Amino acid sequence: DAGVIQSPRHEVTEMGQEVTLRCKPISGHDYLFWYRQTMMRGLELLIYFNNNVPIDDSGMPEDRFSAKMPNASFSTLKIQPSEPRDSAVYFCASSPGVLGADTQYFGPGTRLTVL
Amino acid sequence: GNSVTQMEGPVTLSEEAFLTINCTYTATGYPSLFWYVQYPGEGLQLLLKATKADDKGSNKGFEATYRKETTSFHLEKGSVQVSDSAVYFCALWNSGNTPLVFGKGTRLSVIA
Repeated sequence: DAGVIQSPRHEVTEMGQEVTLRCKPISGHDYLFWYRQTMMRGLELLIYFNNNVPIDDSGMPEDRFSAKMPNASFSTLKIQPSEPRDSAVYFCASSPGVLGADTQYFGPGTRLTVL
Repeated sequence: GNSVTQMEGPVTLSEEAFLTINCTYTATGYPSLFWYVQYPGEGLQLLLKATKADDKGSNKGFEATYRKETTSFHLEKGSVQVSDSAVYFCALWNSGNTPLVFGKGTRLSVIA
């Protein structure tokens, strides 16, 4: 298996622009997670899905952030409008089941820079 | 609530030195405990885990023992290599409909 695939790997944009990050989880995995990593705050869970349904989005920082999972093989995280403080590495992860007990498999991340 | 506290980094060691990264947790019941590792430019990957008290997880020369009496899961390696330079995350999962809880991570740099 190719593992969790994220695109783009790097994104540089200007403040106010819309940013869309993409994730393809490992086939057969029931859970998908979006994380954000910064030096100041470490690794933060933004939202997670089970069988394409959002379960907990309490980590989404504000309404500018939205996430969707239209099918089992694709998810997006959108920021509109983007701000410089959104600059971070965004990770997508998936796991086969039994939330928490199973290993999470992380993608390589998208490094976002908002100027 | 559930939480994980791990030692602040960065930790800098010479090659072949002994490594300990401390991790303590707060949780009710009997959580499962994990160590994840993040190599430069990559996502996190599972290093080892333990699911009950007194279990020892091990992988790639790393070990950690689940100590319920001290609520700890310290990571150890007897002889580190330059290739072990990475950020190490302690994590906890408690039963129920909750995801993993990660610590803040500890950066390890090993110099030749």
